[in-house]
Formats: sequence, structure tokens, C-alpha cells
Amino acid sequence: GAVVSQHPSRVICKSGTSVKIECRSLDFQATTMFWYRQFPKQSLMLMATSNEGSKATYEQGVEKDKFLINHASLTLSTLTVTSAHPEDSSFYICSASRPLGGATYEQYFGPGTRLTVT
Amino acid sequence: DAKTTQPTSMDCAEGRAANLPCNHSTISGNEYVYWYRQIHSQGPQYIIHGLKNNETNEMASLIITEDRKSSTLILPHATLRDTAVYYCISSKTSYDKVIFGPGTSLSVIP
Repeated sequence: GAVVSQHPSRVICKSGTSVKIECRSLDFQATTMFWYRQFPKQSLMLMATSNEGSKATYEQGVEKDKFLINHASLTLSTLTVTSAHPEDSSFYICSASRPLGGATYEQYFGPGTRLTVT
Repeated sequence: DAKTTQPTSMDCAEGRAANLPCNHSTISGNEYVYWYRQIHSQGPQYIIHGLKNNETNEMASLIITEDRKSSTLILPHATLRDTAVYYCISSKTSYDKVIFGPGTSLSVIP
């Protein structure tokens, strides 16, 4: 089946530094990818929609200058957490949308990236 | 997209069928019902989806009521590895982003 990968799986960084997380669709092209954040014991929260070749669309309350998204190719989207702070520590998950034909789609999710900011 | 409501948690004995309900009383005619699950510290996994008819795949069955206001996900023979949070989502065909609610935490008990 379709696979979406994320790199790194875990990262620890110091407060004030920036961290880049990669999301790749391994066997299909994804014009649209999504980034989610999940805090402990909570559900996934959609952060932004990443569109290949255009600017990302951010959900309300998500700072676009802090969470930089780049979708430069049909198989790669990156999320950069700039000037990270301890409150940015979270589980970041990406997904890629694969059309199935007609008007249906299937979302494939990456395994997630655990970010810890010290 | 229509809002869905699910029980917060459920238990199921290993080997028995797990029946997870979902209410989507405001679902519109062009919205599909999707089910995903998330095992602890992993990314969500697609399970099944449907529009009006009941659906079955290798993982589960989806039963949608005739009025489409509710559905049930059935795991026919639950195993310990089915312990996860299960999310029921209704989504218009013109959108492809997934908005997660709190889901149902299913515990399969030996």
C-alpha cells in the first residue's frame, strides 16, 4: 500500500533553534499534504494544508511565520519550526492525499515526529 | 463538514466483535463517513469509508443506517493489537483534509 514517511522520527533541540521535519510520499504523487500536531492525551489538530507549488493554507491560530511549510515537489513537504520553545514540544504528523478516482480520496499518514525542545 | 460524536471509551474482550458507534446526524448527502485509528505514538491508519451502502474490507465492516445519521464500525474478532483510538469522520467529497474529533479509545482486554 501507499506509504508516507517522516524524518526524523525523533528530534531534541535547544530553545531558540529551528527544526525541519520532512514528509515524503514514497509511492504516489501528492499535490496536497497536511500537517498535524498532537499533544499528549489529545486528538490531532490540523495545522496547515500544504499545496505543491503554492503557499500553504494555515488553520486559525497557527502562526505561519513560526511554522514554515514548503511543498517543493509532488513527493516532499517540509515543516520548519522556527525559534522553537518548550511549548512547541509535540508529536507532529503529516498526511498525503491520494485520489482514488471519482470524488473520493484516501489519506495516508506518516509515522510522526516527536519534537522535544529543551 | 458534519460533526460526529462518539463514546469516549469502550472495552472489548479479545476474540469478540468490537462494535464502535458514531453519530453524524447532520451529515449531508455528499459527505462520506471515514474511519481511522491511531495506535499509541503512531500516525493514524485508514480503516474504511462509505457513503450509503455497508462496506467491508480485510480490516473491518462499516454499517451505515438508512437515514445515514449514524454508523457502526465492526472489528469482527478483536485482538490486543486493535487497542487504539478510533476516529469517525464525515467529510465532503470536495474536501480532502481530515478534521479529527476526540475519537473512541478502544481497549481490547485479554
